[in-house]
Amino acid sequence: EAGVAQSPRYKIIEKRQSVAFWCNPISGHATLYWYQQILGQGPKLLIQFQNNGVVDDSQLPKDRFSAERLKGVDSTLKIQPAKLEDSAVYLCASSLHSSRALNTQYFGPGTRLTVL
Amino acid sequence: TQLLEQSPQFLSIQEGENLTVYCNSSSVFSSLQWYRQEPGEGPVLLVTVVTGGEVKKLKRLTFQFGDARKDSSLHITAAQPGDTGLYLCAGTSGNTPLVFGKGTRLSVIA
Repeated sequence: EAGVAQSPRYKIIEKRQSVAFWCNPISGHATLYWYQQILGQGPKLLIQFQNNGVVDDSQLPKDRFSAERLKGVDSTLKIQPAKLEDSAVYLCASSLHSSRALNTQYFGPGTRLTVL
Repeated sequence: TQLLEQSPQFLSIQEGENLTVYCNSSSVFSSLQWYRQEPGEGPVLLVTVVTGGEVKKLKRLTFQFGDARKDSSLHITAAQPGDTGLYLCAGTSGNTPLVFGKGTRLSVIA
């Protein structure tokens, strides 16, 4: 079974530029998550999708971050414009169900973003 | 806001030694998970504990959930270089998002 795929693996941009990350979840997984992991920290949830609907985006900085999952399969996370503090690893995860208590989330390898 | 404090932040030990890492909170969690993350990879789930006082074993790893469901520990027996990585605990309460601790970075030296 293929895991969660993410691209690109690395991205370096200058502040105020735009960047987009792509995620393809495990086949059949209805729930997709985007996390931000700053160096020395644990992952922080940015947004959770259930199929093509948003379940939780309370921690997404909506003035500069946006995400979509139009067909309920793959997803794109965009930052426009980027700030220095956006430098982090962006992790995508997927799970079969949306129940958080006993859910197993499978993480992709992440995209390491450096903003100069 | 629910917070999970992990200790120690860094741990470097020799192969064959035992170790324990801790995950503490002032909040009650309905379930708590432990992950291991290796450089350049995403976290991988090791275990989920849901019952206060629960103990789960995974080969040389022993996980315990506190009676009050506010804390957890991970004990590794006879550590091996393959155990090297970042150990993260994460908790959820009801339908809240997973909250992760900052992790314990373990280095096992051969």
